[in-house]
Amino acid sequence: DAMVIQNPRYQVTQFGKPVTLSCSQTLNHNVMYWYQQKSSQAPKLLFHYYDKDFNNEADTPDNFQSRRPNTSFCFLDIRSPGLGDAAMYLCATSRGAGQTLKQFFGPGTRLTVL
Amino acid sequence: GQQLNQSPQSMFIQEGEDVSMNCTSSSIFNTWLWYKQDPGEGPVLLIALYKAGELTSNGRLTAQFGITRKDSFLNISASIPSDVGIYFCAGQGNYNQGGKLIFGQGTELSVKP
Repeated sequence: DAMVIQNPRYQVTQFGKPVTLSCSQTLNHNVMYWYQQKSSQAPKLLFHYYDKDFNNEADTPDNFQSRRPNTSFCFLDIRSPGLGDAAMYLCATSRGAGQTLKQFFGPGTRLTVL
Repeated sequence: GQQLNQSPQSMFIQEGEDVSMNCTSSSIFNTWLWYKQDPGEGPVLLIALYKAGELTSNGRLTAQFGITRKDSFLNISASIPSDVGIYFCAGQGNYNQGGKLIFGQGTELSVKP
């Protein structure tokens, strides 16, 4: 089945130690998104790629970076994780970004910062 | 910017009861999506709505795109224990924003067997 895959499902890192989360998709969608979701809150968009074009949200901290080496893969790099970065990180994809978009989410990676 | 108000925040119901939740916006949306999120998982798309007045069903779920384009409703009939989770509405407004979704705060549903 076509899907959005996130690895690992659970990630533990130390305060200040760089960490990379990965997302892959078999849907062949050209848009990939990264969201941060904290407990009991809605997902918050960090950035997205439309093909190779990177679009950063204005309030996304510089500590968060992203790479998309090809259509199928997208990475979220947290350069120096702080305690406040502990959250669920969700990857999503959509076919284009038009007015009839549907975004499909992966299962998420739960990040713990010690 | 555009904001969504989703209500209620939480619901505690008995198995078999019907459920209704809604989202309202201060401005017009072009697309409404309803997602369900189980604990520790990503949101799963339930229903997508594209036209004002559109009524769409997915099994026991029915959602409507409000005529004013500023609201949407989700109804669940004859609830069962596996309906437990958090339901999010999401809307897309300004096309020039490149497809960005705006999420409601979520409705947490608990179903008592």
